[in-house]
Amino acid sequence: EAGVTQFPSHSVIEKGQTVTLRCDPISGHDNLYWYRRVMGKEIKFLLHFVKESKQDESGMPNNRFLAERTGGTYSTLKVQPAELEDSGVYFCASRPRGWNTDTQYFGPGTRLTVL
Amino acid sequence: AQSVTQLDSQVPVFEEAPVELRCNYSSSVSVYLFWYVQYPNQGLQLLLKYLSGSTLVESINGFEAEFNKSQTSFHLRKPSVHISDTAEYFCAVSVRAGGGNKLTFGTGTQLKVEL
Repeated sequence: EAGVTQFPSHSVIEKGQTVTLRCDPISGHDNLYWYRRVMGKEIKFLLHFVKESKQDESGMPNNRFLAERTGGTYSTLKVQPAELEDSGVYFCASRPRGWNTDTQYFGPGTRLTVL
Repeated sequence: AQSVTQLDSQVPVFEEAPVELRCNYSSSVSVYLFWYVQYPNQGLQLLLKYLSGSTLVESINGFEAEFNKSQTSFHLRKPSVHISDTAEYFCAVSVRAGGGNKLTFGTGTQLKVEL
C-alpha cells in the first residue's frame, strides 16, 4: 500500500510569489490533515478535511493560505502571496474513517523556503 | 487548549546506553498520547501511543513510554540505544472526544546516538 505522498519535496520562491503544495493521502482515507513546522518550533496544525469538506481550519494563519480537496482525494495548499515567515516544512497526514482509527499517517513533507 | 512540552531539544548518548526523552502535557480534557519519530529525510512515523488501559506502552523496536496522569507526563525510554535510533522524536496529544483527532505537538527532541 502506498503511503502519503507530497509534492514537491522542496520549493524555493521569492517573497510575493505563489506556491502550491500537493498531498496525496493513502487511498480510501477520508481524513486529511495539513501541519506546518517553522524552523526550531513545534509542528502546528493547519486544517483538517473530511472527504472534500473542511472540518476544522482553525490553524490556518491567514487568508493568504487556501486549501482544497476537490473530489475528496488529493489536496492542495496554496500560499499567495508568500511571505518570509511562511518558510518551513509542510506536512500532510491522512487517517481512515472510524471511531477506532486514531493513527495519522504522515507524508515526508514539503520544505518551503521564501526568500 | 492543549500544550506539549519537550524540555530537551537535543540528547546525545552513547550506543548501548539507556535514554529517556521527556514529555509533559497540559490539557483540561482527556487526551490520547503519541510519540512520533522522524528519521533523516523521512516523514513522521508513529512510534507508540497510549489510548487507554495499561499505562505502559511499548514499541516493536524496544522503546517504551509510561503515561503518568498525576504528573501529566509521557516520557519515552529505551534501555539500550542503537546507532539507528538517531532521529528526531516528537511527543503529541489529541483530545479524546471531538477535536477531529488533530495533533498538538511538542518542539521535538533530537536524539543523537554516538559510538
